[in-house]
Amino acid sequence: AQSVSQHNHHVILSEAASLELGCNYSYGGTVNLFWYVQYPGQHLQLLLKYFSGDPLVKGIKGFEAEFIKSKFSFNLRKPSVQWSDTAEYFCAVNPTNTGNQFYFGTGTSLTVIP
Amino acid sequence: GAGVSQSPSNKVTEKGKDVELRCDPISGHTALYWYRQSLGQGLEFLIYFQGNSAPDKSGLPSDRFSAERTGGSVSTLTIQRTQQEDSAVYLCASSFPFPHLDYGYTFGSGTRLTVV
Repeated sequence: AQSVSQHNHHVILSEAASLELGCNYSYGGTVNLFWYVQYPGQHLQLLLKYFSGDPLVKGIKGFEAEFIKSKFSFNLRKPSVQWSDTAEYFCAVNPTNTGNQFYFGTGTSLTVIP
Repeated sequence: GAGVSQSPSNKVTEKGKDVELRCDPISGHTALYWYRQSLGQGLEFLIYFQGNSAPDKSGLPSDRFSAERTGGSVSTLTIQRTQQEDSAVYLCASSFPFPHLDYGYTFGSGTRLTVV
């Protein structure tokens, strides 16, 4: 079955540590890729997106993600996390042949310790 | 409005009762989506509207679930004869017709449904 996998369910880091959250998908065709973040008590917000061009995309708050087509991956990275990055992170895939259908991973809960 | 508005923000209902959840999308967004977020389950797609029509209802988990959208704006998600497994946060999102060319979806804050 087609799916979006986020391998890290819970990540705990100290401030200033580097972050990498994995996202793999199983759709074979062309896809658009997104990372969303949900801060405690808030709604989902877009962090960054990829749909063509440079496979390394930069988003808000110092986040970036790299699309590696051969690995069907779109991992999220940040060189130095802050306490305010504590949140739930969702990877989402939009296969272009499905129109507006988005598929989400189960999310990764990030806790940053001051 | 400035964002996607959902009401109520919290709903506690007794098993077997019907509930109605409301979503008011961003003005001008023709596409509207309902998702369900259950603990440890991530986001589960329920239904998608383009205007008033629903080209994709594939995610509705049972015939107890239905949704409608009127005037290309407000949408209501109705759950009949609620069960405890319906407890979740129900998220609404809206977008322009081609979300990947814009900012993807804009999500509301959700309705937390608890069935007791």
